Amino acid sequence: TQLLEQSPQFLSIQEGENLTVYCNSSSVFSSLQWYRQEPGEGPVLLVTVVTGGEVKKLKRLTFQFGDARKDSSLHITAAQPGDTGLYLCAGEAAKDSNYQLIWGAGTKLIIKP
Amino acid sequence: DVKVTQSSRYLVKRTGEKVFLECVQDMDHENMFWYRQDPGLGLRLIYFSYDVKMKEKGDIPEGYSVSREKKERFSLILESASTNQTSMYLCASSLRDIQNVNTEAFFGQGTRLTVV
Repeated sequence: TQLLEQSPQFLSIQEGENLTVYCNSSSVFSSLQWYRQEPGEGPVLLVTVVTGGEVKKLKRLTFQFGDARKDSSLHITAAQPGDTGLYLCAGEAAKDSNYQLIWGAGTKLIIKP
Repeated sequence: DVKVTQSSRYLVKRTGEKVFLECVQDMDHENMFWYRQDPGLGLRLIYFSYDVKMKEKGDIPEGYSVSREKKERFSLILESASTNQTSMYLCASSLRDIQNVNTEAFFGQGTRLTVV
């Protein structure tokens, strides 16, 4: 069974601080996706990383895929209250004759003004 | 604007009732998925479908069934609802590219089901 461990599960910090969320696995993924979910809504894709070592930036959010494509991190610089939400990572992996998304349990992030 | 629509945002059902959760997508996506989301457990895949009339069990199919009679519609059925099926249910769809690799998943707004 492939697992994607996401940490921390919960993070509450002050506006302006930096933070990092991690997704780790012993399995190799063909790509890794990061989603954000707001209360009462479904998750929305933020970014997909595909190549080992790849770094993508989305304003104050920096996403990195590990060299071995087994782990990923999301770093937020100078967090804002608008960054509050549930962050989910999902690894794309082969299963039987298809591909599926393996989901992390999520990081609930609260940014206090 | 791409859209996945779930028929209800909130549902309250009694134990033993048959429950239908409907999901419709307007993006002509081949792939459709049903997940349940519980605090601390992330998204758990119940059933998925890569084509019309096709369905495959996910990680937690027990107590559920699905129907995909049309490409745009994927229904989740709780044959006899139980209290442990109280959860947030999320439907998603995605394109399937020629190399059979899943792409971005588009989600509905979710149905919060309470079984009493």
